[in-house]
Amino acid sequence: QITLKQSGPTLVKPTQTLTLTCTFSGFSLSTRGVGVGWVRQPPGKALEWLALIYWDDDKRHSPSLKTRLTITKDTSKNQVVLTMTNMDPVDTATYYCAHHVYLRGYPNYFQYWGQGTLVTVSS
Amino acid sequence: QSVLTQPPSVSGAPGQRVTISCTGSSSNIGSIYDVHWYQQLPGTAPKLLIYGNSNRPSGVPDRFSGSKSGTSASLAITGLQAEDEADYYCQSYDISLSVVFGGGTKLTVL
Repeated sequence: QITLKQSGPTLVKPTQTLTLTCTFSGFSLSTRGVGVGWVRQPPGKALEWLALIYWDDDKRHSPSLKTRLTITKDTSKNQVVLTMTNMDPVDTATYYCAHHVYLRGYPNYFQYWGQGTLVTVSS
Repeated sequence: QSVLTQPPSVSGAPGQRVTISCTGSSSNIGSIYDVHWYQQLPGTAPKLLIYGNSNRPSGVPDRFSGSKSGTSASLAITGLQAEDEADYYCQSYDISLSVVFGGGTKLTVL
């Protein structure tokens, strides 16, 4: 059974850096074709992809947020960490981590999702 | 403004068939990249519904089907049930090296 769970602060102040941890079980991030990604969803709005990290440490970032995002993995701990700098109230959203499948030479789909964590940016 | 365009809402009566469209461009759906669909029930995380244009993960009823043609894709739901009321999102990949989502469609079961 594959599970993912996000952890981190629920409230951050503007200009601060957000650090979220995804702890997963049921799969290994050293398996070829496997990745973990982050997706966010502002209240009442659509899903927005943020970043991906793969079994071979290949990393992909949303072009619009690339300068603010860092994604890393600790395979031994089954964890992926996302940091986002210079937080703003518009970054208020539910942040999801998800198991991702890399297939046929490009990022494919998110197969399993964590339950999400609502992060509010406010002073 | 999402890269993939979906209708904001669709509705149907129980037992009916509804379709949700997802329109992209030659840099994403119209290229080699597959389309995937997610169902998000109220207050919950998204769930993979269709992958690789038309494949259903284990446990997804065959009332759900997907297709892709040209720069568009569609999700069809037959035999509509009250439990299908949810938001539906399409997703693909773009040559700009970006995973892209649609804006989401809210399905109302009348």
